[in-house]
Amino acid sequence: AQKITQTQPGMFVQEKEAVTLDCTYDTSDPSYGLFWYKQPSSGEMIFLIYQGSYDQQNATEGRYSLNFQKARKSANLVISASQLGDSAMYFCAMRGANDYKLSFGAGTTVTVRA
Amino acid sequence: DSGVTQTPKHLITATGQRVTLRCSPRSGDLSVYWYQQSLDQGLQFLIQYYNGEERAKGNILERFSAQQFPDLHSELNLSSLELGDSALYFCASSVGLGEVGYTFGSGTRLTVV
Repeated sequence: AQKITQTQPGMFVQEKEAVTLDCTYDTSDPSYGLFWYKQPSSGEMIFLIYQGSYDQQNATEGRYSLNFQKARKSANLVISASQLGDSAMYFCAMRGANDYKLSFGAGTTVTVRA
Repeated sequence: DSGVTQTPKHLITATGQRVTLRCSPRSGDLSVYWYQQSLDQGLQFLIQYYNGEERAKGNILERFSAQQFPDLHSELNLSSLELGDSALYFCASSVGLGEVGYTFGSGTRLTVV
């Protein structure tokens, strides 16, 4: 079984600044995938970034980067140059190698201030 | 538009009733997943279908059932509804078995009164 922990229920960030969202995980699977999704107030779930457990480099997608520290079992999301439109709930999720469902953390609400 | 279509977007019904939520996956996707998002339970996996067959089951109540039809659309049936079933129900789809994640629909918000 996988467990995802997001300890920050809410965060405020100034526009144009960077913000780091914490995510730690626990799994016994040797191979797994880590995901971040964004859920704006409208409710849809938007895929942001993916990191495989055997990927040598940290994943990046535009202003999103994933700080993957395998030994610490952490997969923090960094949003650079925050924009007002980044205000949303952010979920960390993981999937085991033979388990195609995603297990989600509780989420972190990000509010970007002008 | 993610390409995953869920209908209806909103549903209000009374306790004890039965409802059907519908999901059309992205073109070419064979897998469909159902998730429930509630305030107290967060995002919970319910069930997965791949090419018409059930592949994985999560925390799905016996009062709930699902199926995937030959045209790959899926329906989630919720019966004997209780107040606690009020939630946002997501459908997601993927080409295969979700190796690199999947695409979510915009959800159906169910309110049981």
